[in-house]
Formats: sequence, C-alpha cells, structure tokens
Amino acid sequence: AQSVTQPDIHITVSEGASLELRCNYSYGATPYLFWYVQSPGQGLQLLLKYFSGDTLVQGIKGFEAEFKRSQSSFNLRKPSVHWSDAAEYFCAVGAKERGYNKLIFGAGTRLAVHP
Amino acid sequence: GAGVSQSPSNKVTEKGKDVELRCDPISGHTALYWYRQSLGQGLEFLIYFQGNSAPDKSGLPSDRFSAERTGGSVSTLTIQRTQQEDSAVYLCASSSSGQWGFPEAFFGQGTRLTVV
Repeated sequence: AQSVTQPDIHITVSEGASLELRCNYSYGATPYLFWYVQSPGQGLQLLLKYFSGDTLVQGIKGFEAEFKRSQSSFNLRKPSVHWSDAAEYFCAVGAKERGYNKLIFGAGTRLAVHP
Repeated sequence: GAGVSQSPSNKVTEKGKDVELRCDPISGHTALYWYRQSLGQGLEFLIYFQGNSAPDKSGLPSDRFSAERTGGSVSTLTIQRTQQEDSAVYLCASSSSGQWGFPEAFFGQGTRLTVV
C-alpha cells in the first residue's frame, strides 16, 4: 500500500537559516511526488512536484526538492528561510489506481521561524 | 469559478445532528477529492469522484458518511448523527483528469466542523 512518512512533526529554525524537511514514501511504481504548504487559515498550495527527469526540482518561493529513489525520499529544502515561511508542509505521493488518480499525504511538518 | 469554493467555512453543530458540507470545484475539473484534517493529523483521504461516480469510497470512516456529486460539478459531503470525533477541517480539491502524468489538485479553504 502507498504511504508517506514525514518524520518531523515540528521544526523550528532561525530566520536566514537553511531548511530541510524530510519525506519518505512507499509506492511500488514510479512515484509522482508533491510538496504542499498550508499557511494558517489557508488552503493547501502546491510548492513543487516531481514526475520524472531531473531529480532536483525547483518550486515556488525559493523551495527545491530532491528525489532519491534509492532512499525512497523526496526532501524539501530552502537555503535561507524567511519569517513568512512559517506554515505546515505536506508531502504527498500520487498513485494511479484502477484508472484514477489518488493523492496520499503525510502527516505534515509544522515549521516555526524565529526572528 | 476562479478556485475551489467550500461552504460553510465554519459549522458548529450539536452531537447527533446531520450536517452537509458543500464543494464547488473549478469549472471543467472532472476529478474531485474530499479529505479530512484532524488536529495534529495529516490529510485523511475520504472519497474521490470522477465525474459523478465515485470509484473509491474506501476512505469514508463509517456509514454515517456519504457523498454525492451532481452534474459533474458540485459535491456534497453529508455526515449523519454527528459525533465529537467528527470535528475536523474537511478539505475539498479538484483537478482535471489526465491519463498522462498527474494533474495538479487545487484545494479549497476547507470547512471547519465542530461538534459540541
């Protein structure tokens, strides 16, 4: 069965510091991988996605993620965090089942940013 | 519309009452998802619609939960005889349904349900 694990429930970083949020997935076939961000009181917004090709993908707001098949990981990174990045981040895997698309989410990582 | 619209944005109901949550997807999107987000939990998949049919109802937590979609557009999630554990944010998403790749899912703002 497909699953997504985000090992870190809460992370706190200082503004300007680098960030890495971890994501591991379980899926039998080539995965479609996503990172979404949910700011307080907001819906989910897509940050970036990986389908195939270059394993390092760039997203919005200066985020990037690297797909590592050998580690079943898709970690999200940002070189320098801004206070406005404080939010909850969700990793997701897209699975194709019986002709339709199913999006499975991890439990999320809540990011706090200290000034 | 411009985005996925959900109503109401907030709903407080008494235990045992029925509630209906509405989702208006992006025009032209044939795929529609419902998720539940409980405090401190991830997004729990509830149900998926392709057009008006629901090939996957596996995520519905109990027979008190049902959903329908009419005209390939608006969807309603109904919870009968609500319980306190039903308190959560219910999120709806829609996407185009492409055979190739994986179309982006666009989310609404959610309905926060509180059962008292």
